[in-house]
Amino acid sequence: DAGITQSPRYKITETGRQVTLMCHQTWSHSYMFWYRQDLGHGLRLIYYSAAADITDKGEVPDGYVVSRSKTENFPLTLESATRSQTSVYFCASRDTSGNNTGELFFGEGSRLTVL
Amino acid sequence: AQSVTQLGSHVSVSEGALVLLRCNYSSSVPPYLFWYVQYPNQGLQLLLKYTSAATLVKGINGFEAEFKKSETSFHLTKPSAHMSDAAEYFCAVSDPGSGYALNFGKGTSLLVTP
Repeated sequence: DAGITQSPRYKITETGRQVTLMCHQTWSHSYMFWYRQDLGHGLRLIYYSAAADITDKGEVPDGYVVSRSKTENFPLTLESATRSQTSVYFCASRDTSGNNTGELFFGEGSRLTVL
Repeated sequence: AQSVTQLGSHVSVSEGALVLLRCNYSSSVPPYLFWYVQYPNQGLQLLLKYTSAATLVKGINGFEAEFKKSETSFHLTKPSAHMSDAAEYFCAVSDPGSGYALNFGKGTSLLVTP
């Protein structure tokens, strides 16, 4: 099906372990984004990518690593998970055809719990 | 930097009553503004967006918002609330400095009572 999909939807891990959250989109959108959602903070931007092999930091990048070897995939890695990274993570993409006023399209989220 | 402030983290209305969710923005450039809705355990869905065309923007599910530059506001309204409108609502502004990512407000939880 066309759209943006995230996996896993739910993940429980332990402090210090490496975790990778996957994001895949079928639209060939140039821009992709990772946000985390926490109560009282809304959504905060972690990293974004303008195209394959082009990534940049957002508001809260510490403790996270991203890569984008293919346009359709934008994985987010927590190299050594901490309890403060317990959150719901959303991937999003944006079409840039025409102009930069396009909305973001969101995946359904990945709920990560770090014990 | 572009930012938005949502006034009221929780709003409660009766079914059939007017819904008003407040959002004020701060932007150094003409803003692109958005309202999203999030239902439990789901992603965010676009309700409407303002991109400098008409100041009154109509969205899905009977929602609309009016861009008021003099008040730096972009409040979301719906004339008559329905039970299915109960959700979390986010106002957002586009940020040219980060690939036109969206900077979100902290959200307003709408409760609709019978």
